[in-house]
Amino acid sequence: EIVLTQSPGTLSLSPGERATLSCRASQRVSSSYLAWYQQKPGQAPRLLIYGASSRATGIPDRFSGSGSGTDFSLTISRLEPEDFAVYLCQQYGSSPLTFGGGTKVEIK
Amino acid sequence: QLQLQESGPGLLKPSETLSLTCTVSGGSITSNTYYWGWIRQPPGKGLEWIGSIYYSGSTYYNPSLKSRVTISVDTSKNQFSLKLSSVTAADTAVYYCARLIYSSGWFNWFDPWGQGTLVTVSS
Repeated sequence: EIVLTQSPGTLSLSPGERATLSCRASQRVSSSYLAWYQQKPGQAPRLLIYGASSRATGIPDRFSGSGSGTDFSLTISRLEPEDFAVYLCQQYGSSPLTFGGGTKVEIK
Repeated sequence: QLQLQESGPGLLKPSETLSLTCTVSGGSITSNTYYWGWIRQPPGKGLEWIGSIYYSGSTYYNPSLKSRVTISVDTSKNQFSLKLSSVTAADTAVYYCARLIYSSGWFNWFDPWGQGTLVTVSS
């Protein structure tokens, strides 16, 4: 089973700042099969990025994903008020599908 | 726009069987490019994939839960269901259903998700 470790656990930033979130896998994720989701309190996760770097439909271009192998990152170029949430990564390179523990982006 | 909605009892006693149904609207469950999945999230914890099903009935389960899980599909009702037997307090979680993209012969990402339903196991 591939274990995904997200860091930092919490990121305290101000609107307008840049956020960089990390997702590290315990084994290589084949074909960059990694997705990122945004989850707000009491809501279901929303797909942001798939294939490590492809934005889902309707996702603003301030969200970008990168990485390969075991190290992946999600960058939010300029934080908007609605971006303060928990971000989760998911690998689908091997079974079982697994998720990271999440990074909370909070308002500083 | 595709929507998924979970339904089922919110409170169970230890040793009972959890039964949830996901109703899909705005699209057909019989599409050949999707599986349909269940994911859960214990309070304050991360997400765990439970398992997934194709409209034909083909299933894949997380080995950690496989002995207790059954996922089934009812194409006539555009629904799929989850049964988890012998529940304990550790099974208390928000349970989500979601569409699982199936491409190049393999599972991909989940999109969209249902709103989730909290199931509490307590005596």
